[in-house]
Amino acid sequence: ILNVEQSPQSLHVQEGDSTNFTCSFPSSNFYALHWYRWETAKSPEALFVMTLNGDEKKKGRISATLNTKEGYSYLYIKGSQPEDSATYLCAFHNYGGSQGNLIFGKGTKLSVKP
Amino acid sequence: EPEVTQTPSHQVTQMGQEVILRCVPISNHLYFYWYRQILGQKVEFLVSFYNNEISEKSEIFDDQFSVERPDGSNFTLKIRSTKLEDSAMYFCASNRLAGGPGTDTQYFGPGTRLTVL
Repeated sequence: ILNVEQSPQSLHVQEGDSTNFTCSFPSSNFYALHWYRWETAKSPEALFVMTLNGDEKKKGRISATLNTKEGYSYLYIKGSQPEDSATYLCAFHNYGGSQGNLIFGKGTKLSVKP
Repeated sequence: EPEVTQTPSHQVTQMGQEVILRCVPISNHLYFYWYRQILGQKVEFLVSFYNNEISEKSEIFDDQFSVERPDGSNFTLKIRSTKLEDSAMYFCASNRLAGGPGTDTQYFGPGTRLTVL
């Protein structure tokens, strides 16, 4: 059974703090890793799709790295703002896997205090 | 910016009743999906749909579930006889490429919260 784990489960930081969290996934048959940002009552918003070992992607103050050999990805937020408060989900797609089956972690819930 | 929409946002139903959850995927997308998230658990894949037929389904997607694309824009999930354990947030998603979501961004709707009493 393919399993995706995210840590920590929740995180409380002060405005201005930088933070990071982890997504662990099976290292064999890797195909792609997706990061989403999900605010309550809104659609999960796609942040990154990462495919290559060593990949690093950036969107404003948010960046992500990928290590497919050891099976992890880090998401970094620099200078957290209250509007960054959300649940951050990662989802794994394995090579040879189904067309539709994104396998999700449970998410990291980030709260940023002003 | 184009987005996936879902209706209703919240549906309450009695056990044993049929429900239909509706989605309008992004217009030029080719692959459509349903996922669900039971409260406190992970988002789980239910079914993918391409070229007017089911491409793949999970073990969760048993005979009580069905999907349909009745016209050029809507994509529906029907649960024939709801059970208490069907209570969850149901997400619709779509992506553009025919090759599936592997390296293509999958766009999600805001979800329908289904409560079965």
